[in-house]
Amino acid sequence: DVKVTQSSRYLVKRTGEKVFLECVQDMDHENMFWYRQDPGLGLRLIYFSYDVKMKEKGDIPEGYSVSREKKERFSLILESASTNQTSMYLCATGPYQPQHFGDGTRLSIL
Amino acid sequence: DQQVKQNSPSLSVQEGRISILNCDYTNSMFDYFLWYKKYPAEGPTFLISISSIKDKNEDGRFTVFLNKSAKHLSLHIVPSQPGDSAVYFCAASGDGETSYDKVIFGPGTSLSVIP
Repeated sequence: DVKVTQSSRYLVKRTGEKVFLECVQDMDHENMFWYRQDPGLGLRLIYFSYDVKMKEKGDIPEGYSVSREKKERFSLILESASTNQTSMYLCATGPYQPQHFGDGTRLSIL
Repeated sequence: DQQVKQNSPSLSVQEGRISILNCDYTNSMFDYFLWYKKYPAEGPTFLISISSIKDKNEDGRFTVFLNKSAKHLSLHIVPSQPGDSAVYFCAASGDGETSYDKVIFGPGTSLSVIP
């Protein structure tokens, strides 16, 4: 069974802090994704990576960056957290489209 | 403007009956469609997909129908079971504008199956 592990289920941070969300997959997939889920908006793609050190911006990359130094690990970075980044963050992986998701990180920015 | 729409935020169905979840899209370039299911406090799980060259795909109790001319797809669950109660996301890919298979999600429909 594919496992996508996100480092934290719940996280509370303050505005202006630099925040790191980590994701690890065990299936050796090239593609990894970061989404945020907000009520009424579904899942929106923040960043996508198709190989180590390779990344593409998604629909809402502003205020975020990513790092993929190893194939199994994909990190999402909030450079300077703001209250409008309070959300559920979901990491996913798959051979093509996102097929396997982590359980999400509920991030609150105070 | 949302390219993938699920106009029913919620749906209630009696156990054993059919659940029909609907999805509409606006971009005629989409060529692959997916349905995901999400329980509270868990990530979405991939459920079923359909390519634009087909009009129907079946997997056990789940069937997805695609009507390309109407830009409409639906997910049928027969018979519905209480364990099917979840949020269902419709998604589409292949918009023709990006170099990779970007998947665009709808806002989701919350299904409640009443015992």
